[in-house]
Amino acid sequence: EADIYQTPRYLVIGTGKKITLECSQTMGHDKMYWYQQDPGMELHLIHYSYGVNSTEKGDLSSESTVSRIRTEHFPLTLESARPSHTSQYLCASSPWDSEVSYNEQFFGPGTRLTVL
Amino acid sequence: GQQVMQIPQYQHVQEGEDFTTYCNSSTTLSNIQWYKQRPGGHPVFLIQLVKSGEVKKQKRLTFQFGEAKKNSSLHITATQTTDVGTYFCAGRLLETSYGKLTFGQGTILTVHP
Repeated sequence: EADIYQTPRYLVIGTGKKITLECSQTMGHDKMYWYQQDPGMELHLIHYSYGVNSTEKGDLSSESTVSRIRTEHFPLTLESARPSHTSQYLCASSPWDSEVSYNEQFFGPGTRLTVL
Repeated sequence: GQQVMQIPQYQHVQEGEDFTTYCNSSTTLSNIQWYKQRPGGHPVFLIQLVKSGEVKKQKRLTFQFGEAKKNSSLHITATQTTDVGTYFCAGRLLETSYGKLTFGQGTILTVHP
């Protein structure tokens, strides 16, 4: 079982609040990702990082921001939550490999966010 | 727009029947991975295919990568209730950054006992 953790697992919060979703991994992986997934739907990449001080926006536009100050930690922040942000947020990590091929992603359990 | 398409979106089978989900990309893929997500859970890696025409088997699961590296399939023989979940393909498009995956919409499999 992969060692990647997300907190909180569930969050219900009011509109306009600032929130931070935590993601940590103990595998020493350089690459980390944030996905947004609505129930029964596909995963949309919203942020990714290839290492410390490296962050990039993903394919789905998001009002959230991320930081990568430490290898093991990749928090996601929403400055002002809105009902449209209600979704599940999945964090993932994968090891760096010099070969082109192998980059399996390990997913955390996810945070289910509800903004009222 | 969506670059990795997956069909069908839903599949209901009786236990013991076979199941297949198909994944098609509009562009050539460097590799393709398959993940399974149980209801209420998170995606778990199943397998990766890299070579054109590659076929891999895991017990009752057979994975194929097309010759043109634009399509893939997952076939489950004699489904069991433990196979319930959503199956996602995820491909690395040749023109994207190393490590980024584009996920298909997923196929939700229901197995009736």
